[in-house]
Parts: sequence; C-alpha cells; structure tokens
Amino acid sequence: EDKVVQSPLSLVVHEGDTVTLNCSYEVTNFRSLLWYKQEKKAPTFLFMLTSSGIEKKSGRLSSILDKKELFSILNITATQTGDSAIYLCAVVNNQGGKLIFGQGTELSVKP
Amino acid sequence: EADIYQTPRYLVIGTGKKITLECSQTMGHDKMYWYQQDPGMELHLIHYSYGVNSTEKGDLSSESTVSRIRTEHFPLTLESARPSHTSQYLCASSPTAQGKLFFGSGTQLSVL
Repeated sequence: EDKVVQSPLSLVVHEGDTVTLNCSYEVTNFRSLLWYKQEKKAPTFLFMLTSSGIEKKSGRLSSILDKKELFSILNITATQTGDSAIYLCAVVNNQGGKLIFGQGTELSVKP
Repeated sequence: EADIYQTPRYLVIGTGKKITLECSQTMGHDKMYWYQQDPGMELHLIHYSYGVNSTEKGDLSSESTVSRIRTEHFPLTLESARPSHTSQYLCASSPTAQGKLFFGSGTQLSVL
C-alpha cells in the first residue's frame, strides 16, 4: 500500500531558527513529490520535485528529493512567525496521478 | 491566483438531512478532487473526476456521491448526514496529472 510519512509531526521553534522537515515515502510507480503549506484551511503549493538531487528554492524555503532513499526534506531558514502552518508532503503515482498525502508537520514559530 | 470556490464555508446541520457541498473552478481544469481531512490527520481522497461525466471513488470509503456535468462544477452530496460525517471537506482542481493541485478554502461540516 502506498504510504507517505512525515516527521516530526509537530515542531516549536523561535524566530530566526532553521528547520528541516522530513518526508519519506513508499509508492509504486513514483511520478512526483509535492510540498504544500496549509494555514487555516486551503493548502497552497510550495514545490514539486521530480528529479533526485536538484534543489528547488523559493526565498527562505528550499527542498530536495532523494529517489534512491525515497525521501525529501523541506528547509526553512531564518524562520518567521508567518511560517507557522502545517506543511504537507504528497506523492503522485503513475496510476491516475492521484496524490497520497502524509499527516503533515505542524510548525509553530514563536517570537 | 487560483480561482476555485467552495460553499458554504461552514455548515451545521442535524442528522438525516441531505446536503450538497458546492465546488466551482474558473480555470478550465479537467481534473477535480474531493478530500476529507480530520484535525491533525492527513487528507484522504474520497472522489475524483478527470472530466465531464467521469467520476471515480477515491481511497477512503465515503457515503457521499459526486457529479460532473460541467467542467467547472463538481458538487458533493450526502443523502443522509450523520455525526460521523463531521469533518473538513476540501475541493481541488488540477490542469494535469502531475499533481499540482489548487485547493478551495474548504467546507467545515458539523452534523449534530
């Protein structure tokens, strides 16, 4: 059965800290891995990763995929209170392109 | 800017009522999805559609039904709501099968 596991489930840091969120997966016929940020209700797209070893970067956020070890990390540097959210990892398989979501990591950034 | 809308945002109803959760998108996306999410839990796919007149059940068993008569509209219906249906329902659409989804703001359903 396809599975996505995120760790840690929750994390509390102070502003300015750097955090690393983990996502491991077991998926047949992997197509892509995506990261979303969920504040309050609707998840918003952060990154889509399809190739190993190529870092995607957007401001203070970056992410990388390791298809051999079946995991991805999301890094956030110089965290701000506005980074507080649930970060979701999802994997797409080739069977109809459905997303399989992990439980999410709830990040809380304290002033 | 994603243009996908869900109504209502919040709904509190009694057991046994029939309800329809609305979802519309103006982006012309073929693929649309309904996810169910309980607090602290992962999103579970309950229905999806790859185009007009195409609907499929997702990975999580659900007593709800969907229809896709128009590209832009993907409503979800519960014929007889029960307290176990209390959850957040998120609608999403995508232009491709690569997985980048655009989500609506969700409907928080409470069945008393």
